[in-house]
Amino acid sequence: GENVEQHPSTLSVQEGDSAVIKCTYSDSASNYFPWYKQELGKRPQLIIDIRSNVGEKKDQRIAVTLNKTAKHFSLHITETQPEDSAVYFCAANDYKLSFGAGTTVTVRA
Amino acid sequence: DTAVSQTPKYLVTQMGNDKSIKCEQNLGHDTMYWYKQDSKKFLKIMFSYNNKELIINETVPNRFSPKSPDKAHLNLHINSLELGDSAVYFCASSQAGANTDTQYFGPGTRLTVL
Repeated sequence: GENVEQHPSTLSVQEGDSAVIKCTYSDSASNYFPWYKQELGKRPQLIIDIRSNVGEKKDQRIAVTLNKTAKHFSLHITETQPEDSAVYFCAANDYKLSFGAGTTVTVRA
Repeated sequence: DTAVSQTPKYLVTQMGNDKSIKCEQNLGHDTMYWYKQDSKKFLKIMFSYNNKELIINETVPNRFSPKSPDKAHLNLHINSLELGDSAVYFCASSQAGANTDTQYFGPGTRLTVL
């Protein structure tokens, strides 16, 4: 089955700086890679996703890149703000979604 | 107008008891899920139903029994609760396929087994 590894497990950035989270996956047949954000005590919510026919996707300050050959994908957050502080999960699909272990992002004011 | 709702939000109970968690979605989605999030925040799928039919059962102990009376509802019954069952349980739903559509999560149920 699919195995998703996510790094780093924690990330502290100064407000205004960029944050990058990286994930690798094992199943070359995976074709859907969503990213979820979970604020403290709240539910996970989709922030961006990418499918295997696309190499990069952007939505305002958030971008995701996908390298299918290397089987890795990354989340980039630019101009970080305090409200970006949360746990971020990457995921990849086989017959289900397999989630990475999460990255706790802290944005320092 | 809550999209995916769960009850109760908190559940505190003794070992050995039986408890149920209810989930409802008003998005018209065909597929619903139960996830378990442990103390390390790891999210792991337990079950998935598509139009009331079980399509994913991830080697969960048979003390856990999901039930889907219709495609808008997916309940989770847990027998003989154990300490290790303490976690946050999230219900989720998606439009169609179990693995390629956005999943919308409920607010979670924090289960504490004493």
